[in-house]
Amino acid sequence: DVKVTQSSRYLVKRTGEKVFLECVQDMDHENMFWYRQDPGLGLRLIYFSYDVKMKEKGDIPEGYSVSREKKERFSLILESASTNQTSMYLCASTVQVNTEAFFGQGTRLTVV
Amino acid sequence: GDSVTQMEGPVTLSEEAFLTINCTYTATGYPSLFWYVQYPGEGLQLLLKATKADDKGSNKGFEATYRKETTSFHLEKGSVQVSDSAVYFCALIQYNNNDMRFGAGTRLTVKP
Repeated sequence: DVKVTQSSRYLVKRTGEKVFLECVQDMDHENMFWYRQDPGLGLRLIYFSYDVKMKEKGDIPEGYSVSREKKERFSLILESASTNQTSMYLCASTVQVNTEAFFGQGTRLTVV
Repeated sequence: GDSVTQMEGPVTLSEEAFLTINCTYTATGYPSLFWYVQYPGEGLQLLLKATKADDKGSNKGFEATYRKETTSFHLEKGSVQVSDSAVYFCALIQYNNNDMRFGAGTRLTVKP
């Protein structure tokens, strides 16, 4: 089975902190994604990566950056956390274009 | 741009009732369509998919048919169970890119 693992289920951080969310997949997938999930808004794409060291902005990249130094790992970075970044963050991967996505279990981040 | 619209929830049903969750989409070309399910405290997992017009996806008693003429992909189940309580997301992805678009999600609660 494909496994996508996010490093934390729950995080509480202070405003202004730099926050790292880590995601690892074990099936050699090319593409990896970061979404945030908010009630009534569904999933919104923050960034995705289709190869090592490659990244593309999604719909809401402001306040976020990403890093993909190895194929299996995709990190989301909140440069200076703010309360409006309190949300559920979901990582996903796909083997190629136009295929189903496999999701991690999510990280619920609270910024206080 | 491409988009997905789902019926608003929450939806509350009694066990063994018939379920329909409406999903319509706006997209150019011929996207693939998906239903994902999110159980409490977990990430999303694929429920079913259809890759071309008139295809029917099915899994665990759920079905959805890709209707190009009405740009719809409604989710149905003949007899729901308490264990079906979850949030359901409709999604599409274009054949030539990684841009997966999700609906806002519909929360289903099934009561015994």
